[in-house]
Amino acid sequence: DAKTTQPNSMESNEEEPVHLPCNHSTISGTDYIHWYRQLPSQGPEYVIHGLTSNVNNRMASLAIAEDRKSSTLILHRATLRDAAVYYCILRDSIQGAQKLVFGQGTRLTINP
Amino acid sequence: DTGVSQDPRHKITKRGQNVTFRCDPISEHNRLYWYRQTLGQGPEFLTYFQNEAQLEKSRLLSDRFSAERPKGSFSTLEIQRTEQGDSAMYLCASSRRSSGTSRYNEQFFGPGTRLTVL
Repeated sequence: DAKTTQPNSMESNEEEPVHLPCNHSTISGTDYIHWYRQLPSQGPEYVIHGLTSNVNNRMASLAIAEDRKSSTLILHRATLRDAAVYYCILRDSIQGAQKLVFGQGTRLTINP
Repeated sequence: DTGVSQDPRHKITKRGQNVTFRCDPISEHNRLYWYRQTLGQGPEFLTYFQNEAQLEKSRLLSDRFSAERPKGSFSTLEIQRTEQGDSAMYLCASSRRSSGTSRYNEQFFGPGTRLTVL
């Protein structure tokens, strides 16, 4: 599985946008980029995924660089509930790899 | 609540004892996964079932670990002769089988079972 690199921690203020970066310079053409997050004392939950184009859903936006070697998860207006560890994960779409390979993620702190 | 459920939520045991955890996936999901998470680390994959077939096992799953999904619904994870190094959060997740050309399948996680081995 291709490796991703994320900052260990980030901090932001409530109601401000948050941009969480992820580097994946060895990404292959068939790898999907997934983001999951883990709130305190809970299991991870899906946030968003994409292949080449930018994606939006009710939780967040995913901006994918043109060369796909990096991506950014965007929380448009952070709330205290968004404080969590955010994981950027690559999964091969062709081989149908089923497991998620988590790194250490980015611990996001939201200040009131 | 139609999410993934796990039982028990917490388990404290003495070294050398056997423990068994149960996972009930979302009912229409035919794929089930077990992960282990130690403090400060991301979850690590242990094993994966499609229906009742165990299709992949991590090297982390030593001989003391066994997982089953006998009827393709709930699953159990048993740890024999527990060691202090087994102390961790054990997470279960489930997903639908991919359909058509899309290989995407979001995994839904349960709340986990926290194991403490004394």
